Amino acid sequence: DTGVSQDPRHKITKRGQNVTFRCDPISEHNRLYWYRQTLGQGPEFLTYFQNEAQLEKSRLLSDRFSAERPKGSFSTLEIQRTEQGDSAMYLCASSWGQSTGELFFGEGSRLTVL
Amino acid sequence: QKEVEQDPGPLSVPEGAIVSLNCTYSNSAFQYFMWYRQYSRKGPELLMYTYSSGNKEDGRFTAQVDKSSKYISLFIRDSQPSDSATYLCAMSAGNAGNMLTFGGGTRLMVKP
Repeated sequence: DTGVSQDPRHKITKRGQNVTFRCDPISEHNRLYWYRQTLGQGPEFLTYFQNEAQLEKSRLLSDRFSAERPKGSFSTLEIQRTEQGDSAMYLCASSWGQSTGELFFGEGSRLTVL
Repeated sequence: QKEVEQDPGPLSVPEGAIVSLNCTYSNSAFQYFMWYRQYSRKGPELLMYTYSSGNKEDGRFTAQVDKSSKYISLFIRDSQPSDSATYLCAMSAGNAGNMLTFGGGTRLMVKP
């Protein structure tokens, strides 16, 4: 399978704990995006990388959130001191170069904060 | 008010019906318009992609964009139970980062 891969698919944690999600994009894609989706809502943009550079961050991305993409390959999204409001589906997407709109999404990582 | 509005549904139709899904938007900078299909507990899957105004057809799916009215539509002909999913419209201004702004999604149920 050469699609976007995310891990874990589901994470249940207690409030205050740290969690980390991993995304492996389609191998030839240089852009990688993180979106968050809550129940009954559309995905909301969080941040994106072009190669290893993080070029844009949404105001939704509080100081407790950090994303990295070392060497421009896979990416991690870490949430520190989780809150119940962080419960959502975290979606990763990738695209190539100058493409405008053709984002390919992974299956998502569902976070439940108790 | 959200930048992209979409009726959440659910929209229930019999198999074989023509389905019309719509979004309105407020940002006149949007130039690229997409429709994604999302099955329960899955990631969004790109269905249709159009640039600026006009129509685009792909099999049973037709996407329409009317920039003057800030209104986009997706038509599904001969709907099938397998089309039952949430349909998300998304759009971008084509800026450097190409961030997409999504509607809230319309849940479609096609009954056999």
